[in-house]
Amino acid sequence: AQRVTQPEKLLSVFKGAPVELKCNYSYSGSPELFWYVQYSRQRLQLLLRHISRESIKGFTADLNKGETSFHLKKPFAQEEDSAMYYCALKGGGAQKLVFGQGTRLTINP
Amino acid sequence: NAGVMQNPRHLVRRRGQEARLRCSPMKGHSHVYWYRQLPEEGLKFMVYLQKENIIDESGMPKERFSAEFPKEGPSILRIQQVVRGDSAAYFCASSPSGDYRGPKYGYTFGSGTRLTVV
Repeated sequence: AQRVTQPEKLLSVFKGAPVELKCNYSYSGSPELFWYVQYSRQRLQLLLRHISRESIKGFTADLNKGETSFHLKKPFAQEEDSAMYYCALKGGGAQKLVFGQGTRLTINP
Repeated sequence: NAGVMQNPRHLVRRRGQEARLRCSPMKGHSHVYWYRQLPEEGLKFMVYLQKENIIDESGMPKERFSAEFPKEGPSILRIQQVVRGDSAAYFCASSPSGDYRGPKYGYTFGSGTRLTVV
């Protein structure tokens, strides 16, 4: 079964501090992993996908197959990073995404 | 390009009524996906459609729910005889092709329809 777990519903850090949003997954094959972000009153939008190995808005995420994790990291948080973050998995030939429950990140000034 | 358009943004229905949610994909996108988000939960896949075809409906409840994506017009998610448990946010996404690895990948979400059953 495919499953995505985001253990923290809420995460609060101070501006300038490092941020790590945790994501663990369960999938027997080779998954594709994604991070989506939803800013206040905006639609869900793609932030990162592991196959492109890129950094967006200072965020990075590395797929760790041994630990089945895809944690999202940023070394120095900014106030505009406050949002809801969802980790998602796509497995095999299926086109559907399996989402975690989301983590609400709040950056305090 | 207006993006993925969903309407209405908010829909209130009494128990037993029908709810129709519409989704117009981005221009050039021929694949549509519907997701449901119950309170305090993540998005859960419901159905994947291409024009005039249902490709994957593994997430659709067996009864009362149906979806279509006609040759012309928006995709429709239809819920018959709504119950309080159907209250949720329903999101639609579209992509230009089914190949998510391709250079033209694009899984663009709409703003959602918030259904409230009273």
